[in-house]
Amino acid sequence: SQTIHQWPATLVQPVGSPLSLECTVEGTSNPNLYWYRQAAGRGLQLLFYSVGIGQISSEVPQNLSASRPQDRQFILSSKKLLLSDSGFYLCAWSARDRGYSNIQYFGAGTRLSVL
Amino acid sequence: SQQGEEDPQALSIQEGENATMNCSYKTSINNLQWYRQNSGRGLVHLILIRSNEREKHSGRLRVTLDTSKKSSSLLITASRAADTASYFCAPDTGRRALTFGSGTRLQVQP
Repeated sequence: SQTIHQWPATLVQPVGSPLSLECTVEGTSNPNLYWYRQAAGRGLQLLFYSVGIGQISSEVPQNLSASRPQDRQFILSSKKLLLSDSGFYLCAWSARDRGYSNIQYFGAGTRLSVL
Repeated sequence: SQQGEEDPQALSIQEGENATMNCSYKTSINNLQWYRQNSGRGLVHLILIRSNEREKHSGRLRVTLDTSKKSSSLLITASRAADTASYFCAPDTGRRALTFGSGTRLQVQP
């Protein structure tokens, strides 16, 4: 069966420090991968999605970047965190061979607090 | 925006009652999905209804879709305290990525 791992679960970082969040998927090949951010009590904002190694699409201009060095690994990074980067970050995957569905499977999330 | 907009934003009911939440969207869709999020957790897919379907059931869940009105509803029957969560709809327009609205926060009182 497929599983998605996301870590760390919580992170407290000072303003100006770097960030690296990692997400890996097991049990599937060639997944589509996604990074979302959720502000407290709000909906999900799509940050990045990837359809293959090295292929990253950015949905919104921001202080963050994403990379996909391996087929089932997706990394969210920042060189210098801002206070506004605080939030709940969610990684998700969906099957490349969509058929007629694009069901997404989410990790448990990382709660990032920038102080 | 292609995201769904859920209504109401918050809903509080007693255990055993039915909970209905609605979703409106703006463009043509291939399907529409509903997800659930427990506090502090990731989203979990609940049910998918295709554009050529009008109603679908899964356990205590009933989803309807009206493409002419660009709307969908999710009904949870005989709710339980464990149903307390946020519920999101996600219209699939054929883009690679889904977009999610702000959700409906459901509180089921025991």
